[in-house]
Amino acid sequence: DTEVTQTPKHLVMGMTNKKSLKCEQHMGHRAMYWYKQKAKKPPELMFVYSYEKLSINESVPSRFSPECPNSSLLNLHLHALQPEDSALYLCASSPPGGTVNSPLHFGNGTRLTVT
Amino acid sequence: SQQGEEDPQALSIQEGENATMNCSYKTSINNLQWYRQNSGRGLVHLILIRSNEREKHSGRLRVTLDTSKKSSSLLITASRAADTASYFCATDARNAGNMLTFGGGTRLMVKP
Repeated sequence: DTEVTQTPKHLVMGMTNKKSLKCEQHMGHRAMYWYKQKAKKPPELMFVYSYEKLSINESVPSRFSPECPNSSLLNLHLHALQPEDSALYLCASSPPGGTVNSPLHFGNGTRLTVT
Repeated sequence: SQQGEEDPQALSIQEGENATMNCSYKTSINNLQWYRQNSGRGLVHLILIRSNEREKHSGRLRVTLDTSKKSSSLLITASRAADTASYFCATDARNAGNMLTFGGGTRLMVKP
């Protein structure tokens, strides 16, 4: 089991639905990340929050909307997704100072299927 | 674009044998990290090696880093069936601002 908790584990949604992915950590980490991973591919960075502020957006389409309500929580709001957005969505966190000095702690991901 | 490229893409060995995976990258780095991922699960950190380090060990794992060649290797000794997983290298590039970029990964299968 990991110290980063992601819910739900699985999500099936239609292209007109609105849904949210949730991520929670209680390790006192101040950087949180969303990665997207397609089958047999490496994780690709989507967003980075540092001290609850969005610091990196890797040109992600606006149908993905991140939110960091506090230092322990990270959400990813989904709207009008396409079937090609089906993937494993991974949340991660790292201590203050980020990846220069520390590894990432990953959750087990949300398996998203868009129909 | 991927910072790291891994070789081989897939590796199949017998239990007890050693497994070596290689990673190449393109830019100057602060550190290079290795992760393991079991099928359908999250990634688990294995080892972080800083740019001024050349070798690190952790249990049956040995990582080397050659910054002049921009390459790293992960050696798993005396492999076990439970080592079956995908292994990814990831680089924290200098001046990239808290970004970790993953290589393509090596899928390791250890046969009992």
